[in-house]
Amino acid sequence: EAQVTQNPRYLITVTGKKLTVTCSQNMNHEYMSWYRQDPGLGLRQIYYSMNVEVTDKGDVPEGYKVSRKEKRNFPLILESPSPNQTSLYFCASSSGRLAGTDTQYFGPGTRLTVL
Amino acid sequence: KQEVTQIPAALSVPEGENLVLNCSFTDSAIYNLQWFRQDPGKGLTSLLLIQSSQREQTSGRLNASLDKSSGRSTLYIAASQPGDSATYLCAVKDRDDKIIFGKGTRLHILP
Repeated sequence: EAQVTQNPRYLITVTGKKLTVTCSQNMNHEYMSWYRQDPGLGLRQIYYSMNVEVTDKGDVPEGYKVSRKEKRNFPLILESPSPNQTSLYFCASSSGRLAGTDTQYFGPGTRLTVL
Repeated sequence: KQEVTQIPAALSVPEGENLVLNCSFTDSAIYNLQWFRQDPGKGLTSLLLIQSSQREQTSGRLNASLDKSSGRSTLYIAASQPGDSATYLCAVKDRDDKIIFGKGTRLHILP
């Protein structure tokens, strides 16, 4: 089954404790991205990657890191989480605009609480 | 900076009516526009994607149009059903391959 998976689905942590949220897709997609969703602010792109070893900042990259060492994986790293990073996080992937159809497929989301 | 706006923020209509959801964007230099639905507490499901060179796309009771020059897209839902109740989001991919979302329209279909 074609899908985007994220782990963990729920996470409660404390300020300053490094964490990683994993994202994996099995569709051989070039484009992957991370979003956060907050009430009243909607979905905002954090980082995106158009291919292996290529990453770019979205609208809200501060406090986050990503890496794209393999095509299928795109982990989101919070080196020193703060309470304002409490949010619902989504990973998504697509084939990329050069491949023709560029439909984005979303993972189920990770609800992160930073105390 | 690209901005995407969806008006209204919320909409209630009786079952069976046809309806139109609106999405506007400030910069016409986009690669594509995509419509999604999101059910409460769930992820996003893609409905339709329109490439910048296209005018519309259809899937079942849904029809999405794109007028790039005026910075507008509409999502038309025919013969609405209670199961259509959800939040509908539009998103554009700009020339830097960034993706910008609108804040969505929360749709409630009244049985």
